[in-house]
Amino acid sequence: EIVMTQSPATLSVSPGERATLSCRASQSVSSNLAWYQQKPGQAPRLLIYGASTRATGVPARFSGSGSGTEFTLTISSLQSEDFAVYYCQQYNNWPRTFGQGTTVEIK
Amino acid sequence: QVQLQESGPGLVKPSDTLSLTCAVSGYSISSSNWWGWIRQPPGKGLEWIGYIYYSGSIYYNPSLKSRVTMSVDTSKNQFSLKLSSVTAVDTAVYYCARAYRSSWYFDYWGQGTLVTVSS
Repeated sequence: EIVMTQSPATLSVSPGERATLSCRASQSVSSNLAWYQQKPGQAPRLLIYGASTRATGVPARFSGSGSGTEFTLTISSLQSEDFAVYYCQQYNNWPRTFGQGTTVEIK
Repeated sequence: QVQLQESGPGLVKPSDTLSLTCAVSGYSISSSNWWGWIRQPPGKGLEWIGYIYYSGSIYYNPSLKSRVTMSVDTSKNQFSLKLSSVTAVDTAVYYCARAYRSSWYFDYWGQGTLVTVSS
């Protein structure tokens, strides 16, 4: 099983600042990586797939990069609605696995 | 607009079977997509349970495979999850979701339903 490790666990950022979230896979997942955003009491929302392709309706301030084992989600200028938990998921190997999440909180 | 809605008992006794259904609207379940279940224990992360295709092809998480059964009912445009011999560790919010085509990531999710395992 591929273990997905996200860092940091919690990221404190001021509105308008840049946030950089990391996701590391225990072995290569090629570019088969997705990022999701989850707000309290809500289902996850797909942000990025294929490591770098924004899903429909996702603002351009969200960008994804990386391949193999190292991936990054960048939020260029945090808006109030971006404070949430972010999960990465690999869909290259069985079983599909998620990272443990990074909480982006208001500084 | 694709919509998914989970339904089923919110309370299940230990050793019983958890049964949930996901009703899909605005989209045919028989289209070329996989459909999945994911769960999230309170305050914790996400765990993939399995995928099912409208034809009945299935992939299960090996950690749950011995207890999981998924099925699809194309006439009702819905799919289902059964998890047997539940214990308290199976207490979680259960989500159903669509994986677009054979892409395997989940692009549409249901709102989730909390299932508590308790006597």
